[in-house]
Amino acid sequence: GAGVSQSPSNKVTEKGKDVELRCDPISGHTALYWYRQSLGQGLEFLIYFQGNSAPDKSGLPSDRFSAERTGGSVSTLTIQRTQQEDSAVYLCASSPRRGKGHQPQHFGDGTRLSIL
Amino acid sequence: SQQGEEDPQALSIQEGENATMNCSYKTSINNLQWYRQNSGRGLVHLILIRSNEREKHSGRLRVTLDTSKKSSSLLITASRAADTASYFCALSEEKLVFGKGTKLTVNP
Repeated sequence: GAGVSQSPSNKVTEKGKDVELRCDPISGHTALYWYRQSLGQGLEFLIYFQGNSAPDKSGLPSDRFSAERTGGSVSTLTIQRTQQEDSAVYLCASSPRRGKGHQPQHFGDGTRLSIL
Repeated sequence: SQQGEEDPQALSIQEGENATMNCSYKTSINNLQWYRQNSGRGLVHLILIRSNEREKHSGRLRVTLDTSKKSSSLLITASRAADTASYFCALSEEKLVFGKGTKLTVNP
């Protein structure tokens, strides 16, 4: 499987707990993106990593959200003290590079997060 | 940043018919991309059209871009039940900004 891999595929947790979502991008892709998709909605940009540059965190909705990308590959999105409004599908995408004209993004199947 | 607006929000057609979805935007873009999302899955890239291009084809898909009207259309010809999905346009500015999508249902 050479595609973007996300885990877990589903996560149910209680309000107030912390959760970690993982993304394995396509090997060699230097750009990695996290999005959030609420039911029946479009994609909300969260954060973007490009190589060794500082990440673009402008889409993170609150300081409870953070993400890191270790070794330029695997990324983890962490949500602390989860709230019910955090329930959504969290999608990760990668692309070969980011240029002036964006490259097509390759998506994982997402993590469906449900906060009870 | 701006968001593309897809129209219609939902479309239901019979197999064999053509489906047309539109995307409008407000300011200049680098390129515009169309994606498909099957239920419960991630998005799949369909076509990228650059701002200096007017039309692109890929199999049964045809995408047009009219920068003077700030609009793009995605045409799926001879639709199949397997084309049932949500279709999103994405605008390329500093970030790739996705619209809310058109939900297409192709009835057998």
